Amino acid sequence: GAGVSQSPSNKVTEKGKDVELRCDPISGHTALYWYRQSLGQGLEFLIYFQGNSAPDKSGLPSDRFSAERTGGSVSTLTIQRTQQEDSAVYLCASSLGGSGRGSKTQYFGPGTRLLVL
Amino acid sequence: AQSVTQLGSHVSVSEGALVLLRCNYSSSVPPYLFWYVQYPNQGLQLLLKYTTGATLVKGINGFEAEFKKSETSFHLTKPSAHMSDAAEYFCAVSRSGGSYIPTFGRGTSLIVHP
Repeated sequence: GAGVSQSPSNKVTEKGKDVELRCDPISGHTALYWYRQSLGQGLEFLIYFQGNSAPDKSGLPSDRFSAERTGGSVSTLTIQRTQQEDSAVYLCASSLGGSGRGSKTQYFGPGTRLLVL
Repeated sequence: AQSVTQLGSHVSVSEGALVLLRCNYSSSVPPYLFWYVQYPNQGLQLLLKYTTGATLVKGINGFEAEFKKSETSFHLTKPSAHMSDAAEYFCAVSRSGGSYIPTFGRGTSLIVHP
């Protein structure tokens, strides 16, 4: 498909377990973002990848959260030792990157709904 | 630094009435401004954006927004609401150049009554 895809669409896990969330960005998009959206809240920035540069991890809430992007394409967000407060929708977005007028438009995936019991 | 304020977490209108969703921003440099819409159980979708040029921008589904620098605002409007417009709307600010990360508002839930 041409859009951003995320998997799984839903994930239920037990407190203390690790989870991995996957994002496939649009082909050719060099920028990739992860956000967290809790019920009734806006989008909380987590991490940003741009090309081969070091990722901006300034939004990660704790060291239990990490993300990687392999080959400049697919990204995986990992949450270790999940807590109930990690329950949220995790959204991935990609954009062209760079500095042009179209570079900042983000294309979002449908999200992964994580429930930690 | 940049920030976005969306006034009103919920806006309720009747079908056929004017829709007005407010967004104010702060940015130390000329901003890029966006409105995104999120339907239930879906990701965000771009409605419209302002980068440079004409300050009145038109988007999908009959929505438009006007960039007013003097008021640091980018309010979203639609002349006549439709039931299908019920969704969550997010305003975002970014800027040209570099790797600046967009900042999103907290969102406004639009409720449309028959």
